[in-house]
Amino acid sequence: KNQVEQSPQSLIILEGKNCTLQCNYTVSPFSNLRWYKQDTGRGPVSLTIMTFSENTKSNGRYTATLDADTKQSSLHITASQLSDSASYICVVLLPGGYNKLIFGAGTRLAVHP
Amino acid sequence: DTGVSQDPRHKITKRGQNVTFRCDPISEHNRLYWYRQTLGQGPEFLTYFQNEAQLEKSRLLSDRFSAERPKGSFSTLEIQRTEQGDSAMYLCASSSVEEGEQYFGPGTRLTVT
Repeated sequence: KNQVEQSPQSLIILEGKNCTLQCNYTVSPFSNLRWYKQDTGRGPVSLTIMTFSENTKSNGRYTATLDADTKQSSLHITASQLSDSASYICVVLLPGGYNKLIFGAGTRLAVHP
Repeated sequence: DTGVSQDPRHKITKRGQNVTFRCDPISEHNRLYWYRQTLGQGPEFLTYFQNEAQLEKSRLLSDRFSAERPKGSFSTLEIQRTEQGDSAMYLCASSSVEEGEQYFGPGTRLTVT
């Protein structure tokens, strides 16, 4: 069973609209939870990083939330732009060792004009 | 450009051939990671180097796969006797021990025909 599950698998929204992506994880304990943006054919780029004690973290139009009790995280995108079209991947960093990352499968977002 | 670079960006090969990919990490980073990503999935960890030492290998890394980082700078990933199931994006990432954040390269997309 995947330790990091994301929903929906894919999403289409109109430019200017808001959307929320979900992440459920079973990994415990963890050092931090991250959201990455991955453009087609490119490597992932970090958007937000939250420790288990943080509830929310913003980066411009991106706001991530974390509920450590329910093991859920969300990424909210405000006033979407065409350039937001990408895959958004929820990632958990395991404690200790060599910074092992556990990746979700991602949500593929398409923003249409 | 001082980010992680990978070469080549795309590789098409016939089944049974050997292929080698190169990763140049961010210059001051002593940790280097290889991941494999198939379509619609998140990256999966393959192996990790700290300086020139290969400290962790995933069971995904079959005996046809070998990675090296001879001088603790660039790294190579070789796949021998390629199979169609090896078709994927191969991502490299680097980090420093102090910061821990992994920075990803653009990836090498391998297609085995």
